[in-house]
Amino acid sequence: QSALTQPASVSGSPGQSITVSCTGTSSDVGGYNYVSWYQQHPGKAPKVMIYAVSNRPSGVSNRFSGSKSGNTASLTISGLQAEDEADYYCCSYTSNSTPYVFGTGTKVTVL
Amino acid sequence: QVQLMQSGAEVKKPGASVKISCKASAFTFSTYYMHWVRQAPGQGLEWMGLINPRDASTDYAQTFRGRLSVTRDTSTSTVNMELSGLTSGDTAVYYCAREAGRLKDFDYWGQGTLVTVSS
Repeated sequence: QSALTQPASVSGSPGQSITVSCTGTSSDVGGYNYVSWYQQHPGKAPKVMIYAVSNRPSGVSNRFSGSKSGNTASLTISGLQAEDEADYYCCSYTSNSTPYVFGTGTKVTVL
Repeated sequence: QVQLMQSGAEVKKPGASVKISCKASAFTFSTYYMHWVRQAPGQGLEWMGLINPRDASTDYAQTFRGRLSVTRDTSTSTVNMELSGLTSGDTAVYYCAREAGRLKDFDYWGQGTLVTVSS
């Protein structure tokens, strides 16, 4: 089971919007609405930001949104803030022998 | 509040086994699947396995089948992860995580346990 494909890095200026993509296959991202996104600051445990493609847990800023088209899911951060600088990982349920797969991770930099 | 408290850092020699515990509190332990995820230094997250605390059924990533064992102790609300046949490639931070009672995401995570494999 290969990791889902994410861009290694994405950057933006404060106040801008950025989008992080997560590309899989019809066996994972494209086949289920079970894509979640995690934010991880250095030395910290991951934190869920989006679940089930586009749902935001209580307490997560509405500047974070998720979507999916075909085999690619996306995380959009609007009104970029310094505190958003972190690594972001997507995760999908899969029909393969390994039931969950993470993305390769994207480092978001606030310029 | 929900907490997942993991055991401390470990240093192991190649070929050895390591066992990490994850003690849950402030929620009904048997109701939530528990997962293990690891992260090698400077690398991404890797899903390892899960356990249903209600019946102790498990599922493991193909990569780890045969050398990974996840168990639970309902009397102490603890999940354990044991990995055998360690190599330097198993040096990583290991996290336990709770599967949220919604749609296959992980809503609470332990603090992580660093396992270093070195001769």
